[in-house]
Amino acid sequence: AQKITQTQPGMFVQEKEAVTLDCTYDTSDPSYGLFWYKQPSSGEMIFLIYQGSYDQQNATEGRYSLNFQKARKSANLVISASQLGDSAMYFCAMREPQGGSEKLVFGKGTKLTVNP
Amino acid sequence: DAGVTQSPTHLIKTRGQQVTLRCSPKSGHDTVSWYQQALGQGPQFIFQYYEEEERQRGNFPDRFSGHQFPNYSSELNVNALLLGDSALYLCASSPYTLGTEAFFGQGTRLTVV
Repeated sequence: AQKITQTQPGMFVQEKEAVTLDCTYDTSDPSYGLFWYKQPSSGEMIFLIYQGSYDQQNATEGRYSLNFQKARKSANLVISASQLGDSAMYFCAMREPQGGSEKLVFGKGTKLTVNP
Repeated sequence: DAGVTQSPTHLIKTRGQQVTLRCSPKSGHDTVSWYQQALGQGPQFIFQYYEEEERQRGNFPDRFSGHQFPNYSSELNVNALLLGDSALYLCASSPYTLGTEAFFGQGTRLTVV
């Protein structure tokens, strides 16, 4: 069974510094996709970045980048120049094919706190 | 372009009652998935609708049912509510194949008392 592991329940970072949020995954399927979402206290899941298993380059979206290490099955999110508004829960998820359709399987999340 | 919209945003129900939650997908998306997020957990897949049919279902009892309309909007129904059904219910929309796109609504926070 596929699963996502986020080992950091909470992380703290100083404003303007970079932070890495860890995510490891387990799958035997050669074709998969990895997503990162931000969830503020309001509840909405905000899409941040996507990495496909066949993508040669690490994905980047503004201040977000994904450190994709396929052999180690890790897909860590790097946030550069942290801002106070980055304080939120962050979830790693994997696209899981199932019977002709697809669903997302989520980790338990990491709570990021950015200190001024 | 409106993203994924859900209604209502908050709901309080009594044990044993029934509830209906609604979702309108992002323009251009025809597939709707529903997730349940208990406090302190990641979202769990409930089911997915495409072409007005349930395509896949997660490990949820039959008390959870859904519907998709011709305009791709969707409803999630929960019967015989239990206290444990209290959670944030998230709707996600995507094209037919999940690909690189899966956008979520703001969620409906259901409290069962």
